[in-house]
Parts: sequence; C-alpha cells; structure tokens
Amino acid sequence: DQQVKQNSPSLSVQEGRISILNCDYTNSMFDYFLWYKKYPAEGPTFLISISSIKDKNEDGRFTVFLNKSAKHLSLHIVPSQPGDSAVYFCAASGYGNKLVFGAGTILRVKS
Amino acid sequence: DAMVIQNPRYQVTQFGKPVTLSCSQTLNHNVMYWYQQKSSQAPKLLFHYYDKDFNNEADTPDNFQSRRPNTSFCFLDIRSPGLGDAAMYLCATSRPDQPQHFGDGTRLSIL
Repeated sequence: DQQVKQNSPSLSVQEGRISILNCDYTNSMFDYFLWYKKYPAEGPTFLISISSIKDKNEDGRFTVFLNKSAKHLSLHIVPSQPGDSAVYFCAASGYGNKLVFGAGTILRVKS
Repeated sequence: DAMVIQNPRYQVTQFGKPVTLSCSQTLNHNVMYWYQQKSSQAPKLLFHYYDKDFNNEADTPDNFQSRRPNTSFCFLDIRSPGLGDAAMYLCATSRPDQPQHFGDGTRLSIL
C-alpha cells in the first residue's frame, strides 16, 4: 500500500507563475515531511521540510504547507523559473528517520 | 566538497551473477541507507545502518545483502540478480534526525 501519494505525475507551468505540487499521506504516525528535487542523472537533493507541529515553512521561493487533518501537504514555488524543471519527491518519516517516498511529480517550467 | 559517491554509475550483470554496488561518503554521517527505485516509482528503502547496527526492511528480499566495513563505505550485494532487480539503486547518508543526502545512484541492468 502506498502510504505517500503524489497523484499528479506531471505539471506544466509558465515561467513567473506559481507551481503547486501536492502530496497526500495515510499514516498518522508520520511527523516530519520533506521535499526533494531531482534532476536527470543526479540523485535527489533536499529542498525543504516541515515538522508536524507547524503548518507552514518558507525558504525563499519555496513554501511547504501541511494540513494534518486532511493528511495533505503541498509545495509552492513562486515565481517558477526554468531551472526549477525537475522531478519533485514528497517524503514522510516517523520514528527513526526512515523515509517513505511518493512516486514523484515532473515539473516543467516553460519560458 | 563533502559528498556521497556511488560507483559504478552504470552496472550490467548477467542473470544470476552476483554483483556489488558501492557507496562512499565524506560527510562522516552515522546513518547510511540503500534504496531501490524502479522506473516511475517511489524510491523504496531496502535497509540502513546506524553506525554498525544493520536494519533490514521486512519486505527486502533475502537476495539483497549489505556490508559497512567502516563509517565511510557501504556496499550492496545482490547474490543472484533476477530480471526484476533491474533498477536504480540510491545510497543516502544522514545524521540522526537530519535530512538525507543522496548519491547520484547506480543504474543496474540485468542481461
């Protein structure tokens, strides 16, 4: 069973606009959530995280929102840039820092 | 730059022929992880080491083994690769309760 789901396999956005990537989870024991970014032929790179005690965390153009009651988180990128084109993985962890990943969303930012 | 290095980047082996993938790190992190990622799927944790303590995931096949001779190196051994083991294998490291840092992966092909 998929405990972390990214239901949109791909997303296309115009440069300068907002990109919103979504992620749902089923395990209420998850207490820490992360987004990773992956370029072709490279490993995933940590982007931003949020603890379950918060509902928002911001780092420059990237903001992650957490809705615990809905078991949903989202990553907002504003403004989107062509260099943001990559695969974005949502991940969740509970005890022990073991990550459960979603299948990823391919973001294409068009110039 | 401190980093996680995986060798080789591409590995081809024959059906049933043992293969070893390697991972090294200069980050001096306690924890090292091995993930398997099949095409368009989420990375799936196989096992991890916390220092010398080995932690196997319940659904990791017996065909997969790991060794960590020292802090810097970790190996993934596949004793008798089957066609279903063709995948990208990702190594990651972390300090406890910190985001994981990934290598660029080894793509394994089975002939």
